[in-house]
Amino acid sequence: AQSVTQPDIHITVSEGASLELRCNYSYGATPYLFWYVQSPGQGLQLLLKYFSGDTLVQGIKGFEAEFKRSQSSFNLRKPSVHWSDAAEYFCAVGPTGGGNKLTFGTGTQLKVEL
Amino acid sequence: DAGVIQSPRHEVTEMGQEVTLRCKPISGHNSLFWYRQTMMRGLELLIYFNNNVPIDDSGMPEDRFSAKMPNASFSTLKIQPSEPRDSAVYFCASSRSGSKQETQYFGPGTRLLVL
Repeated sequence: AQSVTQPDIHITVSEGASLELRCNYSYGATPYLFWYVQSPGQGLQLLLKYFSGDTLVQGIKGFEAEFKRSQSSFNLRKPSVHWSDAAEYFCAVGPTGGGNKLTFGTGTQLKVEL
Repeated sequence: DAGVIQSPRHEVTEMGQEVTLRCKPISGHNSLFWYRQTMMRGLELLIYFNNNVPIDDSGMPEDRFSAKMPNASFSTLKIQPSEPRDSAVYFCASSRSGSKQETQYFGPGTRLLVL
């Protein structure tokens, strides 16, 4: 069965600092991987996704993520955080060949200090 | 383009009442998903449909929950009778199934409070 672990429940960074949110997955084959962001009171918005090819994926809002098969990781990064990035971030894994039945991590709450 | 539309956005009801949540998927999408989000359990998939047919309802908590998709542009999630533990945010998502890069797009959610 597929699973996702986001080991950090809360992270606080200063505005302008770099950010890395961790995501580890468990899946028998090459998975489809996603990062979503949820602002307070809002739905989930897709930041980026990895299906195949280049292991460094660029997303919206200046985010990127790197797929590392050897580490079963798909960490999300941003070189310089803005106060508006404060939100909850979810990593998700889906089966190769289709996005049905995504499995979500428990989320990482990001706080940005001004 | 309109995204996934959910109604109502907020619902407050009393225990024992029937609650109906509604979802309109993105036009052209043929898969629809219902999720529940709580602090304790995070984001859980309740049920999903493909081409209006329920494919997997193993996440539906109990018989009090039912979901229908009478056509490609409308789905409902019904709770009858509702209980306080059903209080959560319910999300609907849709995707274009069959494409290799299938991606789910989420609605804004319905925040349900059962008193």
